[in-house]
Amino acid sequence: AQTVTQSQPEMSVQEAETVTLSCTYDTSENNYYLFWYKQPPSRQMILVIRQEAYKQQNATENRFSVNFQKAAKSFSLKISDSQLGDTAMYFCAFMKHPGAGSYQLTFGKGTKLSVIP
Amino acid sequence: GAGVSQSPSNKVTEKGKDVELRCDPISGHTALYWYRQSLGQGLEFLIYFQGNSAPDKSGLPSDRFSAERTGGSVSTLTIQRTQQEDSAVYLCASSEINRNTNEKLFFGSGTQLSVL
Repeated sequence: AQTVTQSQPEMSVQEAETVTLSCTYDTSENNYYLFWYKQPPSRQMILVIRQEAYKQQNATENRFSVNFQKAAKSFSLKISDSQLGDTAMYFCAFMKHPGAGSYQLTFGKGTKLSVIP
Repeated sequence: GAGVSQSPSNKVTEKGKDVELRCDPISGHTALYWYRQSLGQGLEFLIYFQGNSAPDKSGLPSDRFSAERTGGSVSTLTIQRTQQEDSAVYLCASSEINRNTNEKLFFGSGTQLSVL
């Protein structure tokens, strides 16, 4: 079974500054996907960024980037130039490669990020 | 529709009553998922549909929980004889199944279920 751990229940950052959210995971799989999802008060989970485990290059999406350390099973999210709209819960998630016949996501418990004006 | 639609948005029920939660996925998405989010917790997988069949229902917590999908589209999650511990947000997601995008899930805004 897979587990995902987010060790920071809450974090805050000043507007325009940079913040890093931590995530570690445990799996015996070699091929998998990792995700960061954002959940604003509207409750809708929004995909922020995804990483394929077989790719060494870290994924980036505009102000969002990850530091993927496969050997250490670490997958942190860096948000640059933080904006007020980034205030939300952030969830790290794991999915075995769909070739395994399952599309089940395993989520961490989340980090509540507050961006301070 | 433009996104995944769930109804009702909020549901308050009495312990012991049955409830039905509805999910309308993005048009053309063959995969549909149900997750449960309890207060202060991450999301917990319940069931996955491919078309009208459910190849993975390993997350359903008890036989009081069931789900069906008809016409490869709308899905209904039914909870019988609700208990207070069933109180949670129930989120639905859908995705295409193809080589390049099958792991990208699109979520609805969920149904907040409160069992009194």
